[in-house]
Amino acid sequence: DTAVSQTPKYLVTQMGNDKSIKCEQNLGHDTMYWYKQDSKKFLKIMFSYNNKELIINETVPNRFSPKSPDKAHLNLHINSLELGDSAVYFCASSQGGQGAETQYFGPGTRLLVL
Amino acid sequence: AQRVTQPEKLLSVFKGAPVELKCNYSYSGSPELFWYVQYSRQRLQLLLRHISRESIKGFTADLNKGETSFHLKKPFAQEEDSAMYYCALVKAAGNKLTFGGGTRVLVKP
Repeated sequence: DTAVSQTPKYLVTQMGNDKSIKCEQNLGHDTMYWYKQDSKKFLKIMFSYNNKELIINETVPNRFSPKSPDKAHLNLHINSLELGDSAVYFCASSQGGQGAETQYFGPGTRLLVL
Repeated sequence: AQRVTQPEKLLSVFKGAPVELKCNYSYSGSPELFWYVQYSRQRLQLLLRHISRESIKGFTADLNKGETSFHLKKPFAQEEDSAMYYCALVKAAGNKLTFGGGTRVLVKP
C-alpha cells in the first residue's frame, strides 16, 4: 500500500518529556515535510527536507529537531514538551521540491501534553 | 511574505444548493494555488490546483489575479462534500505551502 505513514497515531505525555514521531513514505519522493495543525485547525509548515537536507526551517523552537536518516524517512523529535505543543502533526511528501507539485499527507499524529 | 485568508470558518448548505468557499491571497509574485480537502477521519488530500484548470468532484476554482482570489465553487452540493477545505499557496519555484485557516463545509440533507 503506497502512502505516507506516521507512528504513533496518538501520543499522550507529560510536560517536560521528550518524544519522537516517525514518518515514512514509500512513494519514492525526494522531499518530505512536517506541518503542525493547532486546535483551531490552522495548518503551518515547520520543516522541509529534500534528499535528507534541510531546506525549510520555519520559526520553530529549537526543542523541535527533525532527522532524516534517508529520503524515505523524516522523524520529528521534541524535547522538553510544553502544553502548547499539543496539536496534530502531519508529515507530507512530494516528488521534488518545486512549485505546483502535489503534497501527499500522512494520517497525522495527535499529540496531547498534560 | 505570502498569506492566505479564508474568511468563512463554517459553511452550512442544503443538499443540491450551490456552495462557494472564498479564498484570498496576498503575494507579490506569481503564485501556485491549491485546494486541499480533509474528509472525516481521512488524511488531507489535494482536491484541485489552478494550474490544471480541471474540475474535480464537480468543484471548480478560478484564479483571479486582479482580485487575488481563488474561490472554490460547486453548483450542487452533495452530502459527501462535507469536509474541511483548505486553500493553499506556494511560490513559483518554491515548495513551501502556506495554508489558509480552513473552511468547514456541512451539507445538510
